[in-house]
Amino acid sequence: DTAVSQTPKYLVTQMGNDKSIKCEQNLGHDTMYWYKQDSKKFLKIMFSYNNKELIINETVPNRFSPKSPDKAHLNLHINSLELGDSAVYFCASSHTAGEETQYFGPGTRLLVL
Amino acid sequence: GQNIDQPTEMTATEGAIVQINCTYQTSGFNGLFWYQQHAGEAPTFLSYNVLDGLEEKGRFSSFLSRSKGYSYLLLKELQMKDSASYLCGPNTDKLIFGTGTRLQVFP
Repeated sequence: DTAVSQTPKYLVTQMGNDKSIKCEQNLGHDTMYWYKQDSKKFLKIMFSYNNKELIINETVPNRFSPKSPDKAHLNLHINSLELGDSAVYFCASSHTAGEETQYFGPGTRLLVL
Repeated sequence: GQNIDQPTEMTATEGAIVQINCTYQTSGFNGLFWYQQHAGEAPTFLSYNVLDGLEEKGRFSSFLSRSKGYSYLLLKELQMKDSASYLCGPNTDKLIFGTGTRLQVFP
């Protein structure tokens, strides 16, 4: 069984479009995260939710809006996509926030043309 | 500010030992994670050090010195499958990663 799953795995789209990436975890964890990994392989946190509440919001353009309908899901909606948004987006979860091992999803490879 | 420094690339041969160093400067510190990431895949957990000293887990060991802001990951009896990126991640109020060290193991 997949612990942390993301859809879609690949996403190719035009500049200016709006797209969503979905993430689900079946581990019963309270905390979920979104990371962005750019072409230089730098993995950077974007958002974190604990029990559906936003606890970390890094300096991310407000074109990016996370939504957590329940603690097992954390979706990422991106408006007005730009070329620089091309990256791999990883979802992760942990039992609680803080000193907990994070389990990563397989990643969504976004290419903006 | 937050600063994490680790070598960009390393190479080694099968059966050898390699040590990947990481120095960090962070505001706040709870512990340090090491993750492994194979090309095109998600990062996977290797170790988490909270206290100073060496923690051994099979072929992999991780060391932490909180006072020096220093950690290393030691890989013994290297195998081809160990070719991957190794991410050093200080845990402050959130987990932050360095750019990773890309290790290539040759036969």
